[in-house]
Amino acid sequence: AQSVTQLDSQVPVFEEAPVELRCNYSSSVSVYLFWYVQYPNQGLQLLLKYLSGSTLVESINGFEAEFNKSQTSFHLRKPSVHISDTAEYFCAVSDIQGAQKLVFGQGTRLTINP
Amino acid sequence: NAGVTQTPKFRVLKTGQSMTLLCAQDMNHEYMYWYRQDPGMGLRLIHYSVGEGTTAKGEVPDGYNVSRLKKQNFLLGLESAAPSQTSVYFCASSLSGGSGNTIYFGEGSWLTVV
Repeated sequence: AQSVTQLDSQVPVFEEAPVELRCNYSSSVSVYLFWYVQYPNQGLQLLLKYLSGSTLVESINGFEAEFNKSQTSFHLRKPSVHISDTAEYFCAVSDIQGAQKLVFGQGTRLTINP
Repeated sequence: NAGVTQTPKFRVLKTGQSMTLLCAQDMNHEYMYWYRQDPGMGLRLIHYSVGEGTTAKGEVPDGYNVSRLKKQNFLLGLESAAPSQTSVYFCASSLSGGSGNTIYFGEGSWLTVV
């Protein structure tokens, strides 16, 4: 079984400041790692994912996440945030085999202040 | 291209009533999922399906039933609604399991049980 812990329930930052959203996971088997974003009153959208290969993965809107196997972490970072990044962010894992059932963290609400 | 569509979007039920949530996807995906989202708990898997005519239990299946009579549809039923089932329900689909395929989410169905 897997579990995911997002260490911060809320993260307030100022516009154009850097941000890091922390995610740690626990699993007895190899996993894929995901970050999803949920804008207000919408469904979840995939932001980025790590399957294999380079441990640093990037999204099209400037976010990046690094898979650290020894620390079982997959922290999400952005060097300069915008008001439009205000959303809730979910870290998730899935077993690399089987039905790809996502196990989610509790979510981190990112609030950008002008 | 509609993606994943859920109906209804909002519903208020009295304790003991029954209802069905409908999920439809137009991407010819094999796998479909139902999650519920509760504050501070992320999303939890209720049931899933790996193909037409198949269903399986997820993390929190009690009080729910599902059916996948057609590949494009995945129905979630509440036979006797309870206040503990007040939640936001998300349907999702993916091309297949494994391989880290992207899971696409609907926009959610807000259910209140009074």
